[in-house]
Amino acid sequence: ELKVEQNPLFLSMQEGKNYTIYCNYSTTSDRLYWYRQDPGKSLESLFVLLSNGAVKQEGRLMASLDTKARLSTLHITAAVHDLSATYFCAVDMRSGGGADGLTFGKGTHLIIQP
Amino acid sequence: NAGVTQTPKFRILKIGQSMTLQCTQDMNHNYMYWYRQDPGMGLKLIYYSVGAGITDKGEVPNGYNVSRSTTEDFPLRLELAAPSQTSVYFCASSLRAITDTQYFGPGTRLTVL
Repeated sequence: ELKVEQNPLFLSMQEGKNYTIYCNYSTTSDRLYWYRQDPGKSLESLFVLLSNGAVKQEGRLMASLDTKARLSTLHITAAVHDLSATYFCAVDMRSGGGADGLTFGKGTHLIIQP
Repeated sequence: NAGVTQTPKFRILKIGQSMTLQCTQDMNHNYMYWYRQDPGMGLKLIYYSVGAGITDKGEVPNGYNVSRSTTEDFPLRLELAAPSQTSVYFCASSLRAITDTQYFGPGTRLTVL
């Protein structure tokens, strides 16, 4: 069974600081996804990582994928309040012999304080 | 171009009642999915479809049924609602295979009492 674990699950940080969210998964996969969810809202796609060593950046967010370590990271640079949200990583379920869908981590609830 | 739309936004059901959650996408996507999100948790796949007339089970299909008669619509039916089905339900779609970005609808918040 494919398992996806994120840490930390809760993170409170100050504006201007840097931090990294980690996403580990249990079976071999070269497809990993990051989503953002604001309270009471739907999910917004941030990054799709489709190969080992993939790195993508958008503004203050940068995501990377190491398929050998089964690890993805989401790095936040010089955080601003607008980045406060819950961040989910997700892995292609077929990696674990499953369906054509995504297995999600529990999410990292990020609060950025002035 | 509305993307993925879901109705209703909120619903309260009594135990044993049935209902259908509607999902429509106007992006001509082949793949459609239903997920549920319980408080403080990630999403879990209920059912998915790779095209009109083709559906398959995800991680947590028990208590649900789906159909896909058109490319645009992918309704989710709850039969004999139970408190364990209290959740937020998200419909999503993607153009082709899983490697394409999944676009999510706004969600339906369902409470079963």
